[in-house]
Amino acid sequence: AQSVAQPEDQVNVAEGNPLTVKCTYSVSGNPYLFWYVQYPNRGLQFLLKYITGDNLVKGSYGFEAEFNKSQTSFHLKKPSALVSDSALYFCAVSNGNTPLVFGKGTRLSVIA
Amino acid sequence: DAGVIQSPRHEVTEMGQEVTLRCKPISGHDYLFWYRQTMMRGLELLIYFNNNVPIDDSGMPEDRFSAKMPNASFSTLKIQPSEPRDSAVYFCASSPGYSIETQYFGPGTRLLVL
Repeated sequence: AQSVAQPEDQVNVAEGNPLTVKCTYSVSGNPYLFWYVQYPNRGLQFLLKYITGDNLVKGSYGFEAEFNKSQTSFHLKKPSALVSDSALYFCAVSNGNTPLVFGKGTRLSVIA
Repeated sequence: DAGVIQSPRHEVTEMGQEVTLRCKPISGHDYLFWYRQTMMRGLELLIYFNNNVPIDDSGMPEDRFSAKMPNASFSTLKIQPSEPRDSAVYFCASSPGYSIETQYFGPGTRLLVL
């Protein structure tokens, strides 16, 4: 069975500082990894995904994530946080044979 | 395309009443998913369809919940009878595939059962 762990319920960062939202996964077979973002009163929006290839994946709004197979991690990063990045972030995983399994989400708060 | 459309956006009802949530997926997407989001349980997959056929409904919490997809452009999630613990935000999502393809989420229906 697939599972995702987002160890931090809340991440606080000052505007302009780098941000990291952590994600670790467990999957049988090859992992396919996603990050989604949810703004207040909205549905989830796709940010980026890793399917194969380069371990560093670049996505929307300046976000990127690094796939680390040995640590089974897929942390989301951004070099310089904006107040508008404040939202709920979800990591998700599939092995290609099952639907996506989502983590519980991490609330990011960027403080001006 | 307008994206995934859900209606109503908000629903307030009394315990015991029937609730019907509606979803119009993105045209051309073969997969449709229904999720429930609560503070306690996070985002839960309830059921998903492939080409209008229900594939996995193991996430449906009880027999009070049912979902249909009569055609490629419409799906419903029905709760009968509703209970206060069904209060949540219900999302519909559609996708060209079910695992490695991006899912596109609707804005959600916020349900409050009194």
